Amino acid sequence: EAGVAQSPRYKIIEKRQSVAFWCNPISGHATLYWYQQILGQGPKLLIQFQNNGVVDDSQLPKDRFSAERLKGVDSTLKIQPAKLEDSAVYLCASSEIRSLRAYTFGSGTRLTVV
Amino acid sequence: AQSVTQLDSQVPVFEEAPVELRCNYSSSVSVYLFWYVQYPNQGLQLLLKYLSGSTLVKGINGFEAEFNKSQTSFHLRKPSVHISDTAEYFCAVTKTNTGNQFYFGTGTSLTVIP
Repeated sequence: EAGVAQSPRYKIIEKRQSVAFWCNPISGHATLYWYQQILGQGPKLLIQFQNNGVVDDSQLPKDRFSAERLKGVDSTLKIQPAKLEDSAVYLCASSEIRSLRAYTFGSGTRLTVV
Repeated sequence: AQSVTQLDSQVPVFEEAPVELRCNYSSSVSVYLFWYVQYPNQGLQLLLKYLSGSTLVKGINGFEAEFNKSQTSFHLRKPSVHISDTAEYFCAVTKTNTGNQFYFGTGTSLTVIP
């Protein structure tokens, strides 16, 4: 079974530039999550989708971050404009609805803002 | 609100020695408990989880953990570590009734010394 796919693996941008990350969840997983993992910290949830609807985006900095999952499958997370403190690994995860079975994380995208 | 405390940020241990990584949590509701491992430049891999039943949970790679409700702890143990166990270990909780959002600790860096 294919895992959660994320791209790119690495990205370096200058502050105030924009960047986008892509995630393709495991086939059939209705729930998709984006986490931010700052160096030295545990991952923190940014946004949770169920199908193409947002379940929880309370910790998403909406002035600069946006995310969409238009067809209920793959998802894009965007940062515009980026700040130095956005340097982190962005992890995508997916799961079945209301189930912790097969909750799977992708390998992440490492963003460096200079 | 849920929170997870990993008491040790770094744990060095000699090869073939036993190890315990400590995790305490606080929550006003029932939670499920997890341990994840993260190897350099990789995503999170599930080691084990406690959902219900026996409080002693066995996971992959010879790890086990014991849920102690009275002490709100979920410490991870391995009787004999290998060089390949060198990695970052994260304890996490999620509420039993909704969301499937994970709350992570700050991680423990395990270094196995030859």
